[in-house]
Amino acid sequence: QKEVEQNSGPLSVPEGAIASLNCTYSDRGSQSFFWYRQYSGKSPELIMSIYSNGDKEDGRFTAQLNKASQYVSLLIRDSQPSDSATYLCAVIRRDDKIIFGKGTRLHILP
Amino acid sequence: NAGVTQTPKFRILKIGQSMTLQCTQDMNHNYMYWYRQDPGMGLKLIYYSVGAGITDKGEVPNGYNVSRSTTEDFPLRLELAAPSQTSVYFCATSEASLQETQYFGPGTRLLVL
Repeated sequence: QKEVEQNSGPLSVPEGAIASLNCTYSDRGSQSFFWYRQYSGKSPELIMSIYSNGDKEDGRFTAQLNKASQYVSLLIRDSQPSDSATYLCAVIRRDDKIIFGKGTRLHILP
Repeated sequence: NAGVTQTPKFRILKIGQSMTLQCTQDMNHNYMYWYRQDPGMGLKLIYYSVGAGITDKGEVPNGYNVSRSTTEDFPLRLELAAPSQTSVYFCATSEASLQETQYFGPGTRLLVL
């Protein structure tokens, strides 16, 4: 099992719909979880961080964490063409090492 | 404020050559990181530093060296370039811990032939 696993996509979502991005991780002791957005040819930028079970909302973005299932997700409501990018899930293991997933390519269809 | 700057933007190296990738930050952040990103892949941590004079290995440190003599600068050294080191290299910072937001530089694209 990969340490941080994401579906590589592309995930195609119509404009205005909800985009759902998923990430699973293998280290049950992981405590901190992040979603970064990366446009093609650019550097990553933080979208959301989440540290405890449940939902965390910020504008159109909601991060969901379920530590029992070792699962973290990102929901993007009212998807816009500007949301088209690669979304990287990052997890900090119990030994304080950060591991990134390979990313999911999201394409918003106008 | 410039944030995190990296030089050069692009470089071609021959096998066996050496070079230093520069990273400078003006955010007064304690933590600095070096990542590599291969095509279609996520980021892999090479080395990181929690403050001047302190560095530690990440996931893929072989073939690289770092130093941190000041808060602002965190250069990455490649001693004997190999084709496997062809990648995009990102420097990042965070204020006071690994648990915080990381701010990334624009990246250096390296091609080893």
